[in-house]
Formats: sequence, structure tokens, C-alpha cells
Amino acid sequence: QKEVEQDPGPLSVPEGAIVSLNCTYSNSAFQYFMWYRQYSRKGPELLMYTYSSGNKEDGRFTAQVDKSSKYISLFIRDSQPSDSATYLCATEKQGAQKLVFGQGTRLTINP
Amino acid sequence: DAGVIQSPRHEVTEMGQEVTLRCKPISGHNSLFWYRQTMMRGLELLIYFNNNVPIDDSGMPEDRFSAKMPNASFSTLKIQPSEPRDSAVYFCASGGRGNQPQHFGDGTRLSIL
Repeated sequence: QKEVEQDPGPLSVPEGAIVSLNCTYSNSAFQYFMWYRQYSRKGPELLMYTYSSGNKEDGRFTAQVDKSSKYISLFIRDSQPSDSATYLCATEKQGAQKLVFGQGTRLTINP
Repeated sequence: DAGVIQSPRHEVTEMGQEVTLRCKPISGHNSLFWYRQTMMRGLELLIYFNNNVPIDDSGMPEDRFSAKMPNASFSTLKIQPSEPRDSAVYFCASGGRGNQPQHFGDGTRLSIL
């Protein structure tokens, strides 16, 4: 079993929809949680970075961590065609400096 | 601010040749990471450095792979001899101390024929 599980999709939604992307993880030692966005032929770009449980909001993006159920979510409000990309969740243990990535979810926003 | 810079962006070479990938981290970052991305295995950490010192190379697949960081602003990942199964996108990332977030370059797309 992988340490971080993420549905690879693909996921296709109409413009303006609310998008929900999710990951589960197995190791309770993970303390830091990230979401990266990766456009085709580009490197992963850090979108959200959170520590422990709770919500974090940045514009149209909200990251949510539920450590009790080992569940990580990213919500995108008012989705735009420019949000079309692969979204990768990642986790890290305290002081470990070793990111563990999910497989990535390929998202398409249709105009 | 300049991000992580990788070169070359694309490399096509024949099996058995030596391949050298280069990375310039973000100025002031003291951690540097090399990753490999494939469709089958996703993003995998190969090796990382703190203050130019290799800390964990457990992800390096074979002795054919080696990485160096001679100074704070430059690192190389070398494959010798290269094999077709090494074809992948190789990313370099840099970060600050501890659990500071990592920032990625745009990768080197490597094809071994």
C-alpha cells in the first residue's frame, strides 16, 4: 500500500464549478501537508502549505486536513480553464525533509 | 526572484552514454533535492543535500547514478552508463531549513534511445 493515495482521475468539470480533490495517507507521523499544481511540461508549483489539522484559504483555494481520518482535501471555487492541470498532494514528517507525493489528479475545466 | 534553474531542458542520447543534469537552487536555500517523475511511479525522491552535504541517497536506483553539490549554488546528477529505463523527467527542488516548503525547477526531460 502506498503511503499517500490519490485518485489519478481524470476529472473534468464545467467552468465555475467547485472542485474537490482528495488524498488519504497511512502514516500518522505526517505533520506537514502540501498541494502542488503542475502544468504540462512544467515543474510542480507550490499552491498550499499547511501544518497539522485545520483549514487554510488562499483566494479561490482552500486546503483542509483532517488528521483523525488521515484525509487531505483541496477545494477550488469558481474554477477557471486556467486551473486545468495536474494537482499533487504531498506530506512530510516533522524534520524529515522527505516529501511523499500522491500520484496526482489530472483536472480539466471546460469553458 | 529567480526560481530553481535546471539545464538542459531536454536531452536525447543513446544508451551507454554519460548524462549530466544541472541545477542552480534558489539563492539562500540550504536544501537541494533531486526527483524523478514517470507515469508509472510518479514523483520519487532520489537524493537530497543539506548545506552541500548528501543526507539521504536511498532513492538513487543504482550505482550508475551519482549526484554532487560542490557549492551552494550548483548541483549535478550524473548517469553513467545510461539505459532506456532511465528515460523520465528529472526535477531539482530547493528549500529552506527544516520543513520549509520545496520549490521545483521545470525539469529535464531525458530520453535514452
